[in-house]
Amino acid sequence: DAGVTQSPTHLIKTRGQQVTLRCSPKSGHDTVSWYQQALGQGPQFIFQYYEEEERQRGNFPDRFSGHQFPNYSSELNVNALLLGDSALYLCASSLGGGLDEQYFGPGTRLTVT
Amino acid sequence: QKEVEQNSGPLSVPEGAIASLNCTYSDRGSQSFFWYRQYSGKSPELIMFIYSNGDKEDGRFTAQLNKASQYVSLLIRDSQPSDSATYLCAVNLRDDKIIFGKGTRLHILP
Repeated sequence: DAGVTQSPTHLIKTRGQQVTLRCSPKSGHDTVSWYQQALGQGPQFIFQYYEEEERQRGNFPDRFSGHQFPNYSSELNVNALLLGDSALYLCASSLGGGLDEQYFGPGTRLTVT
Repeated sequence: QKEVEQNSGPLSVPEGAIASLNCTYSDRGSQSFFWYRQYSGKSPELIMFIYSNGDKEDGRFTAQLNKASQYVSLLIRDSQPSDSATYLCAVNLRDDKIIFGKGTRLHILP
């Protein structure tokens, strides 16, 4: 039973650059949510994708965008990177557009210098 | 501003004792409530979820929900050193967005 996978594991970028993070959901899941977790904080909800559409969005600027593909995998794009974007980015998968019973991937550690 | 509040800890509990973790939330219309465990350097792992007032038990874990008091708790019986982790409370709001608390660090003393 394939769990949630994310790539890359670590990433170092410079201020102003753009980054793309990738996520494949758990086998059988069709919904992907993205979270940002700063050190010592709980995860903050960025957005959710279901049926290839953004269904819900947290309080994040338009610099954060995403996409879901027909195979349910997803990408998170962040433009014009700021130092404050340095964090662990988590992808979670679930079923049927819900936020219940989410399974998290291992995360991508993004460092912006 | 909708919030989920947790005591950051650390909460130190002797091995074999009951650990009690608490969480309050501000949105009275919240629908569902979750407890996640997060080991240092790892991603969150769902332990339990609860939708209705009262208690829900799963092995050594019991979740308790009181919607009138806007309070949810997690009890861990017979605490083990492997239970040492950060415990995150999460709330699914009425508009179907989810908010996590900052987490409580739990330390089980051998």
